[in-house]
Amino acid sequence: DGGITQSPKYLFRKEGQNVTLSCEQNLNHDAMYWYRQDPGQGLRLIYYSQIVNDFQKGDIAEGYSVSREKKESFPLTVTSAQKNPTAFYLCASSIAKNSPLHFGNGTRLTVT
Amino acid sequence: AQSVTQLDSHVSVSEGTPVLLRCNYSSSYSPSLFWYVQHPNKGLQLLLKYTSAATLVKGINGFEAEFKKSETSFHLTKPSAHMSDAAEYFCVVSPGGSQGNLIFGKGTKLSVKP
Repeated sequence: DGGITQSPKYLFRKEGQNVTLSCEQNLNHDAMYWYRQDPGQGLRLIYYSQIVNDFQKGDIAEGYSVSREKKESFPLTVTSAQKNPTAFYLCASSIAKNSPLHFGNGTRLTVT
Repeated sequence: AQSVTQLDSHVSVSEGTPVLLRCNYSSSYSPSLFWYVQHPNKGLQLLLKYTSAATLVKGINGFEAEFKKSETSFHLTKPSAHMSDAAEYFCVVSPGGSQGNLIFGKGTKLSVKP
């Protein structure tokens, strides 16, 4: 079955450490996205990529970094510069920009 | 500017009664509109989409939505709620052409009482 896999499901880190969230898709989609979800705030776009080796900042990119070396993979690094990193992170993909999104099941990151 | 407003943050219904989740949008272009559902600690799943064909759109699990351009609305309905419908629902607008990215509403949490 095609889909998006995010790992791990739960992640705990100490403040000041960088952490990388994994996202892999086997849907052969060109576009991939990272969203952050906080209670009552909906989804906010962190980064997106429409093609391998290219990516753009979303609305809340500060304190985050990404890479897109392979079509299937779009890892997100939460750096120590992110002031409030504790959140639920969702990865998604689509055939093209602004087409319907397919989501992974998310990674819940807790930083203490 | 493009925007989307979900008018209720929380809706509570009894099992077997109708569901109405309200969404208004603002778009300078002919938008595409979507409804997604999210169960606790899960990703979002597409319920239905409007892309300028029929104004009444049928989705999965018995949900449907009607696009009303004059009211700039895209409300989600279901005739009879089931316990499994309890979840959070997001209205999403895709601005026309290459005008920015998808815009998510803040979500409506649906509770279903037995």
